[in-house]
Amino acid sequence: GDSVTQMEGPVTLSEEAFLTINCTYTATGYPSLFWYVQYPGEGLQLLLKATKADDKGSNKGFEATYRKETTSFHLEKGSVQVSDSAVYFCALSLSGGGADGLTFGKGTHLIIQP
Amino acid sequence: DVKVTQSSRYLVKRTGEKVFLECVQDMDHENMFWYRQDPGLGLRLIYFSYDVKMKEKGDIPEGYSVSREKKERFSLILESASTNQTSMYLCASSSATLEGTDTQYFGPGTRLTVL
Repeated sequence: GDSVTQMEGPVTLSEEAFLTINCTYTATGYPSLFWYVQYPGEGLQLLLKATKADDKGSNKGFEATYRKETTSFHLEKGSVQVSDSAVYFCALSLSGGGADGLTFGKGTHLIIQP
Repeated sequence: DVKVTQSSRYLVKRTGEKVFLECVQDMDHENMFWYRQDPGLGLRLIYFSYDVKMKEKGDIPEGYSVSREKKERFSLILESASTNQTSMYLCASSSATLEGTDTQYFGPGTRLTVL
């Protein structure tokens, strides 16, 4: 079946460090790919998405590129801040998206130290 | 602004009780979802609905049922709560338009403890 694999962490970085959170997927079709973020005590928020190969999603300094050849959607940020501390979920969706639900990775807990 | 609300942030129930978790969205979305979130397991889909009175099983429907009598409201029901249903429950909604179905909007979650 469809699945998403991401590094689980926790990942601990110093402020202003470069961030990469790896995400790879397995899917029978051509999925849309997402990164969601969950801040402490809150629900999930969409961070960015890409709907086809070579698309780049970006938001709040975060970027991820849909790589079909490596079935990957790695999340990057050039300079992280303490406020970026959260849990990050990679997810995929088939059949045009949300009507069938999202398949999530297990989440990566990111801790940024001042 | 997009909004999904859940009736309770924290809930404590006893084994065997019938539990209702309510979710309301104000975006006129057709699709609504219930997930549970557990450490080390991520989010798993319990049930979803793509229209009023319609429901579809997700990956882990056992022990749960749902109700959607109105477009904006989607209820998750635990018929007889058990301790293994202690979890964080997240509701989400999305539009049925071709461009909109991808993006799901989540509520703040209900942390349910079953004693």
